[in-house]
Amino acid sequence: SQTIHQWPATLVQPVGSPLSLECTVEGTSNPNLYWYRQAAGRGLQLLFYSVGIGQISSEVPQNLSASRPQDRQFILSSKKLLLSDSGFYLCAWSVSLTGELFFGEGSRLTVL
Amino acid sequence: AQSVTQLGSHVSVSEGALVLLRCNYSSSVPPYLFWYVQYPNQGLQLLLKYTSAATLVKGINGFEAEFKKSETSFHLTKPSAHMSDAAEYFCAVRAGGYQKVTFGTGTKLQVIP
Repeated sequence: SQTIHQWPATLVQPVGSPLSLECTVEGTSNPNLYWYRQAAGRGLQLLFYSVGIGQISSEVPQNLSASRPQDRQFILSSKKLLLSDSGFYLCAWSVSLTGELFFGEGSRLTVL
Repeated sequence: AQSVTQLGSHVSVSEGALVLLRCNYSSSVPPYLFWYVQYPNQGLQLLLKYTSAATLVKGINGFEAEFKKSETSFHLTKPSAHMSDAAEYFCAVRAGGYQKVTFGTGTKLQVIP
């Protein structure tokens, strides 16, 4: 069966520090991969999605970036965090033609 | 373009009462529609999906949703609420042929004993 792992689960970072969140999927090949951010009262905001290795589409201009170095690995990064980057980050994958997403457990980022 | 509107950010029902969570969508092409549930500090779990096969879709935990094209709606219902149903629910849409899934702002369901 397919599983998705996302880490770290929680982290507290100072403003201006770098960020790296990792996500890996097991049990499937060539998935579409997604990073969403969830802020209170704002639902889920799509940040990046990828349909293949090295193929990244950005949805929101910001100081975050994403990379897909391997088929089942998706990384969210920042060189310098802002206070506004605080939130709950969710990685998801999809392989179905209908596009339903399967989510990881999430990473809660607090920037101080 | 595609979008989803969820009416009511908070809904309260009594245990055993009908649950109705509203969702309206906008899509320029026939959509795929989804309902997800999220418990505190967890990821989202798929409840059910509409893929044009049948307008009444049954999902997990006794939930179902009906696709009404004329009303551009996809409301989620459950005949009898259980305490364990307390969570946040998200409606989502994916326009056919596109990779992006757009979510609504969510509805928090409170179940009163």
